[in-house]
Amino acid sequence: AQKITQTQPGMFVQEKEAVTLDCTYDTSDQSYGLFWYKQPSSGEMIFLIYQGSYDEQNATEGRYSLNFQKARKSTNLVISASQLGDSAMYFCAMRVWGAGSYQLTFGKGTKLSVIP
Amino acid sequence: DAGVIQSPRHEVTEMGQEVTLRCKPISGHDYLFWYRQTMMRGLELLIYFNNNVPIDDSGMPEDRFSAKMPNASFSTLKIQPSEPRDSAVYFCASSFIVGNSPLHFGNGTRLTVT
Repeated sequence: AQKITQTQPGMFVQEKEAVTLDCTYDTSDQSYGLFWYKQPSSGEMIFLIYQGSYDEQNATEGRYSLNFQKARKSTNLVISASQLGDSAMYFCAMRVWGAGSYQLTFGKGTKLSVIP
Repeated sequence: DAGVIQSPRHEVTEMGQEVTLRCKPISGHDYLFWYRQTMMRGLELLIYFNNNVPIDDSGMPEDRFSAKMPNASFSTLKIQPSEPRDSAVYFCASSFIVGNSPLHFGNGTRLTVT
């Protein structure tokens, strides 16, 4: 069974600073993908960034980047130059392809608060 | 692209009543997912469809829950009879068949059962 662990229930960061949100995963499969989503207080789920298990380089999307450490089974989200609008819940999720399943398994999330 | 459309946004009902949640996926997407979000359990997959066919319904809590996808542009999640513990936000999401495709979520339906 796949499992996603986000150990930080809440994080605070000063505006314009960088912040790292942790995510570890557990799977015995070699083929999988890791996704990060943002959920602001309005409730919608917004896709941010993706990392495939065979990708050799860390994924980047604008101010978002991933620190993917395959051997440690971790994929931490780095948000650079934090903005007040970054205050939200952040979810890490995994899709395992070996099982022929296309669902995403989500972690419990980290609540990020950006302080002005 | 209009995105995934869910209705209603909010639903308040009394215990024992039937509740129907609706979803219109993004046109062309092969997969449709129903998730439930609660504070205690987080985001849980209830069921998902591929080309309108249910593939995995192991997350459906019990027989009170049922889901259908009569065509590629419409799906329903029905709870009958509803109970207070069903109170949650229910999300519908859709995606392409490619493995690295993200799920695109609707805005969710907040269900309150009193």
